[in-house]
Amino acid sequence: DIELTQSPLSLSVTPGESASISCRSSQSLVHANGYSYLDWYMQKPGQSPQVLIYLASNRAAGISDRFSGSGSGTSFTLKISRVEAEDVGIYYCMQGLHTPVTFGPGTTVDIK
Amino acid sequence: QVQQVQTGAEVMKPGSSVKVSCRTSGVTFSGYSVNWFRQAPGQGPEWMGGIIPFLETTQYAQKFQGRVTIAADKSTHTAHMDLVNVTSEDTATYYCARGARDCSLSLCYFYYFGQWGQGTRVTVSS
Repeated sequence: DIELTQSPLSLSVTPGESASISCRSSQSLVHANGYSYLDWYMQKPGQSPQVLIYLASNRAAGISDRFSGSGSGTSFTLKISRVEAEDVGIYYCMQGLHTPVTFGPGTTVDIK
Repeated sequence: QVQQVQTGAEVMKPGSSVKVSCRTSGVTFSGYSVNWFRQAPGQGPEWMGGIIPFLETTQYAQKFQGRVTIAADKSTHTAHMDLVNVTSEDTATYYCARGARDCSLSLCYFYYFGQWGQGTRVTVSS
């Protein structure tokens, strides 16, 4: 199975500042079509996961432009600009190129 | 409004089978994928498998092969997940999620899980 590692595993951010989460894959996530099959999800306690970014850099419908994704191949980054209190939660990267679909261990974001 | 509505919580005996259903409303059912995940307490999500109703194609995680069956009823816009021979390690919250799919040759890729069900708590206890 494809292993995804995230760093840091926890992050405490001052409101209004930016935060970045790194995700690295044990194998390339680039398909022959040129797309990297890497998504980012956020989960709040007691809630279902919510997609933020798909195919590495595409913002999902209804997601604030404060969230952006970048990267390709085996190295990816999620950036949260102007962090707000509502951004508290666990952030997961997920790959969909190789079966089974796998998730990173998650990064817990809280507010200082 | 797009919704994925799952059936309610289940308490199962070890060795029994559990079936969780997920009804899609507000959007086309067949053209997307419906995927099943589970999440044990304090753990991240784990993909179990997915189905593309239009293609009647399923893919499963090797870990669950032989124990899980995913099916879709296009007439009722409902997907079902059956897990047999459950043990205490199957205690988790089970989610369905509608997602995108790209297929080439005999392989399909599942991603962009945009709509998730509310989750179904499954407890396995003697």
